[in-house]
Amino acid sequence: DTAVSQTPKYLVTQMGNDKSIKCEQNLGHDTMYWYKQDSKKFLKIMFSYNNKELIINETVPNRFSPKSPDKAHLNLHINSLELGDSAVYFCASSQYWTLTPLDTQYFGPGTRLTVL
Amino acid sequence: AQRVTQPEKLLSVFKGAPVELKCNYSYSGSPELFWYVQYSRQRLQLLLRHISRESIKGFTADLNKGETSFHLKKPFAQEEDSAMYYCALRGEYGNKLVFGAGTILRVKS
Repeated sequence: DTAVSQTPKYLVTQMGNDKSIKCEQNLGHDTMYWYKQDSKKFLKIMFSYNNKELIINETVPNRFSPKSPDKAHLNLHINSLELGDSAVYFCASSQYWTLTPLDTQYFGPGTRLTVL
Repeated sequence: AQRVTQPEKLLSVFKGAPVELKCNYSYSGSPELFWYVQYSRQRLQLLLRHISRESIKGFTADLNKGETSFHLKKPFAQEEDSAMYYCALRGEYGNKLVFGAGTILRVKS
């Protein structure tokens, strides 16, 4: 019954590996997001997709590649993992991309990525 | 540029004491401001937004455009209020949220 779900919850991997994080929402929302929360708890948007189209790409290294197979899913693939990629990655969704006064973002539980 | 500042990394108060979590923003247009809360081991969730002018769990926040602030207040803190609180701004370009650095609220018994 979870609204926004992410897998895996924890991911521990070696530097240089490639990994993916999956996100699914069952709210019927059009827009999905990826955020990174660093070790200082600073939360910053990385990407946003609206109806499977990329609309925000915030100066993220091109080792990070989001993919949206349909509007209910937004996956994040990371190539050649680096120590600095260690963080908690949050997926979120909202009804629309365009502004509607009462729209808000619903967040997933987060994926804690640790790069050794 | 859109920017949200939360000057306090940690705010520690006793149960029953008043709480004020500060948030200042920088934005040239008409912003929409939010407070999100993250309880321990839980996901980030919306606490309140300025447009609704509501009180949630005893918390209120008023948008002060003159001071560009959106401070979160509660008259009597409870232990279950202990959490990380994020102030966020949404500008006029789509549904993009810019978050402050967050403030950890610890309510001691």
